[in-house]
Amino acid sequence: EIVLTQSPTTIAASPGEKVTITCRASSSVSYMYWYQQKSGASPKLWIYDTSKLASGVPNRFSGSGSGTSYSLTINTMETEDAATYYCQQWSSTPLTFGSGTKLEIK
Amino acid sequence: EVQLVESGGGLVQPGRSLKLSCVASGFTFNNYWMTWIRQAPGKGLEWVASITNTGGSTYYPDSVKGRFTISRDNAKSTLYLQMNSLRSEDTATYYCTRGVGDYFDYWGQGVMVTVSS
Repeated sequence: EIVLTQSPTTIAASPGEKVTITCRASSSVSYMYWYQQKSGASPKLWIYDTSKLASGVPNRFSGSGSGTSYSLTINTMETEDAATYYCQQWSSTPLTFGSGTKLEIK
Repeated sequence: EVQLVESGGGLVQPGRSLKLSCVASGFTFNNYWMTWIRQAPGKGLEWVASITNTGGSTYYPDSVKGRFTISRDNAKSTLYLQMNSLRSEDTATYYCTRGVGDYFDYWGQGVMVTVSS
């Protein structure tokens, strides 16, 4: 089973600040996927195929990485970005998720 | 507009069974794999089961294999999850999701399952 380790677990950022969330895989994966979940809501697809933004996702978000190291970056933090972000892989079964990174507004 | 609407959740005793349903609309159901993903209260996301677009193949993690069965009725655009021998650790919100390749582009609102005596 591929274990996905996200860091940090929690982060607080000020509006306008740059934020980077990292997802490290225990073995190499081909692509990484990211989901955003706000409190009390269902997760939403945010980034697919490592770096492609899902429909409606602001272009201040970006995704990058390869092999065992991937990241989600917010170029300039906005209040609406406060949420929990999960990474996910299915290069290998079972598909697995990271444990999540909670992003808060400072 | 793609919609996934789950139902069938509730409170159930350990060892008992429950069947979840997910009615899909707004897309050609039989063109897509479908997957159930769950989230225990205050916890992260966990894969539960996947089924191919025809229903010919199903996939499960070890945590539910042999206890849960995913199925679909393409004529009714409906996905199911039969859950047997339920345990307290199965308590979670269960999401119905549409699969595209290796990821999930649409999620239902979720249905809560509580396993407790």
